[in-house]
Amino acid sequence: DAGVTQSPTHLIKTRGQQVTLRCSPKSGHDTVSWYQQALGQGPQFIFQYYEEEERQRGNFPDRFSGHQFPNYSSELNVNALLLGDSALYLCASSLVRTGNQYFGPGTRLTVT
Amino acid sequence: ILNVEQSPQSLHVQEGDSTNFTCSFPSSNFYALHWYRWETAKSPEALFVMTLNGDEKKKGRISATLNTKEGYSYLYIKGSQPEDSATYLCALSAGGTSYGKLTFGQGTILTVHP
Repeated sequence: DAGVTQSPTHLIKTRGQQVTLRCSPKSGHDTVSWYQQALGQGPQFIFQYYEEEERQRGNFPDRFSGHQFPNYSSELNVNALLLGDSALYLCASSLVRTGNQYFGPGTRLTVT
Repeated sequence: ILNVEQSPQSLHVQEGDSTNFTCSFPSSNFYALHWYRWETAKSPEALFVMTLNGDEKKKGRISATLNTKEGYSYLYIKGSQPEDSATYLCALSAGGTSYGKLTFGQGTILTVHP
């Protein structure tokens, strides 16, 4: 049983560009959450998707958007990248009725 | 804005030592407290989820307690081993939902020296 997978593992982008990160949830899970972990901090909640809709959002600008597909996989898109967007982006999946979140290994984004 | 605090920020212990960390959180709107272990280059691994005041959970040499009235949780590791070296994160679910966002502390980095 595969756990949560994320791609790519690492990514380097230039300021102003756009990036798409991908997440496949654990088998049987229907909910995907995204977190950003900046250096020296705990993960910060970006948003959560269930039934292909954003159900909850953290304190992130509209440059951060997402999508959930019918197979429950998800994408995180970031437009107009800033140097401060450099971070580890974690995806977590869960069942909406239980809520226990299982994390992927993350995508390391570097913006130069 | 919820504020989850962990202490200490980092800890160095010798193999065989027992150790503990603290997670502090606002007690209002509490739903659940989660502990995760995060080894370098791996995914954060769920250790415990606790919901009731006075809850105690145990997994091998690791245990945790919860006090929702005063807003803290302790994680204990008995007889630390080098493989226990990791970042330990606590996270709060609040607002009456188990499936909402997790608010994380900044983590405690544990290094166990052989």
